[in-house]
Amino acid sequence: GAVVSQHPSWVICKSGTSVKIECRSLDFQATTMFWYRQFPKQSLMLMATSNEGSKATYEQGVEKDKFLINHASLTLSTLTVTSAHPEDSSFYICSVPDGYTFGSGTRLTVV
Amino acid sequence: GENVEQHPSTLSVQEGDSAVIKCTYSDSASNYFPWYKQELGKRPQLIIDIRSNVGEKKDQRIAVTLNKTAKHFSLHITETQPEDSAVYFCAAEKGGGGNKLTFGTGTQLKVEL
Repeated sequence: GAVVSQHPSWVICKSGTSVKIECRSLDFQATTMFWYRQFPKQSLMLMATSNEGSKATYEQGVEKDKFLINHASLTLSTLTVTSAHPEDSSFYICSVPDGYTFGSGTRLTVV
Repeated sequence: GENVEQHPSTLSVQEGDSAVIKCTYSDSASNYFPWYKQELGKRPQLIIDIRSNVGEKKDQRIAVTLNKTAKHFSLHITETQPEDSAVYFCAAEKGGGGNKLTFGTGTQLKVEL
């Protein structure tokens, strides 16, 4: 499978601020990337499918204006959590379809 | 959409025993079924997968079986070791690759000495 890098690995932010998470596919040209959220002791829930050069496809119940996704190149997708609140605290993780390899994940804590 | 159920939610076995985790899926169009191992705070790691044209696949101590008719698939770990302790997730995907995965709810496996 592909090698996927995700940054940052953890971040603490104040309530109301925005946080950007980067997902890079280092050796695979990804026209599609997937963004998941995982709450403690729960499964991975797909938030959205990131599409290179076009709009992301969001899963039902995910606010597209709150979770902004940009996929400007074949190697980089970003997820921005806007106006973050404590309930957004979670483990965010990206994936590419080449072997469904996951990035290392980002632990977001909103205080 | 696809729904994947996974059982049991927790499983405790003695070292050397076998462990079996079972999943069922709802969408008969699903044709790719990976299994992931996730250690605390880390990314899920693919440990084995199976496609719908195969009934069983084995890799050393790990095997996966698939019953398309019943829409069941299972993970079998033999000769369990303490380092097998982790959370295991099954998943299902349709379309032959490149599409989204739907995950099961996870199984916390604990291998006791």
